[in-house]
Amino acid sequence: DTGVSQDPRHKITKRGQNVTFRCDPISEHNRLYWYRQTLGQGPEFLTYFQNEAQLEKSRLLSDRFSAERPKGSFSTLEIQRTEQGDSAMYLCASSYTTGGETQYFGPGTRLLVL
Amino acid sequence: LAKTTQPISMDSYEGQEVNITCSHNNIATNDYITWYQQFPSQGPRFIIQGYKTKVTNEVASLFIPADRKSSTLSLPRVSLSDTAVYYCPGHSNYQLIWGAGTKLIIKP
Repeated sequence: DTGVSQDPRHKITKRGQNVTFRCDPISEHNRLYWYRQTLGQGPEFLTYFQNEAQLEKSRLLSDRFSAERPKGSFSTLEIQRTEQGDSAMYLCASSYTTGGETQYFGPGTRLLVL
Repeated sequence: LAKTTQPISMDSYEGQEVNITCSHNNIATNDYITWYQQFPSQGPRFIIQGYKTKVTNEVASLFIPADRKSSTLSLPRVSLSDTAVYYCPGHSNYQLIWGAGTKLIIKP
């Protein structure tokens, strides 16, 4: 399977704990995006990388959230001191710099903060 | 901000053609129009993309008028498995701006 993969698929944690999610994009894609989605809503943009550079970060993203993409390959999204409001589906997408900018999504990581 | 507008929900029956329209009032000159499908507990799946006129692939057709202020996703002969949420996100720089999508329910 050469699509976008995410790990873990599900995560249950207690409030105040730190969690880290991983995304492996399609190998030739140089752009990587993180989105968050809550029930009944469309995905909400969190941050974007071109190669290893983080070029854009949502103003809605608190300082508890951090993302990295070392060497321009896989990416990690860390949430520190989780809160119940962080419960959501976290989606990763990747794309290549061509006309159209089609983003291809992974299966998501479902986070539940108790 | 290139936000889009689409119906909240639609119903249809198996074997029918379904058309979902999206309004792209603030679309930028260089933006493509892309449609995604999402099933519960899965990530959005790319369906089709176009810039103008008509595009067809093995899954759907996309109609875009000359002014590009709207687009219509056409699903031929739908089946129960086409029940899903359909999105036509707008663009802002490299972000996709998503509304709540159109919840399509196909009945037997």
